[in-house]
Amino acid sequence: NAGVMQNPRHLVRRRGQEARLRCSPMKGHSHVYWYRQLPEEGLKFMVYLQKENIIDESGMPKERFSAEFPKEGPSILRIQQVVRGDSAAYFCASSSGTTTNNYGYTFGSGTRLTVV
Amino acid sequence: TQLLEQSPQFLSIQEGENLTVYCNSSSVFSSLQWYRQEPGEGPVLLVTVVTGGEVKKLKRLTFQFGDARKDSSLHITAAQTGDTGLYLCAARNTGTASKLTFGTGTRLQVTL
Repeated sequence: NAGVMQNPRHLVRRRGQEARLRCSPMKGHSHVYWYRQLPEEGLKFMVYLQKENIIDESGMPKERFSAEFPKEGPSILRIQQVVRGDSAAYFCASSSGTTTNNYGYTFGSGTRLTVV
Repeated sequence: TQLLEQSPQFLSIQEGENLTVYCNSSSVFSSLQWYRQEPGEGPVLLVTVVTGGEVKKLKRLTFQFGDARKDSSLHITAAQTGDTGLYLCAARNTGTASKLTFGTGTRLQVTL
């Protein structure tokens, strides 16, 4: 019973390249959330998706960042033309999204992006 | 979006000591969660509290939700080195289709 799978665990990109981060949610979970964490800081919300739908992207930078969760396959967080300030740990979480408001998230181990 | 302030920001104690960390906001929450994150890993859910005044115990960890549902505390009794990590509280606005907002975190180090 695999948990949330993120890959790659570590990603190094040169300035100006594209970064693609993948997340496969837990089996049975249809809600995916992406968070960014800078060193010594908490988690900052980026985007909330369900299959083929973006529910809340209020935390996404307006430029260069995009996310999708297709009908088939993992959720993808894409960062175009990366800059040094994009260096961070990016975490994906999934939930079953029950009708109550008390469900918790299951997090992946994260992707550590380093822009050189 | 509510702001969740955690205190203290850093805490270094010796094994066997007791400690309490706090999570405060000016907003009322429908529920609040505590997570622990170890270096190089994602946060792991410890507990969810829902009712004002609720107290939940998880072995040596005691979680309390404030009566007004605006704050919470986590008390650890007889800390062990395995308790070392980043403790995060998280809450969501009312409504089922809403994201979790995380607190600023308390970094705990327990030494021998």
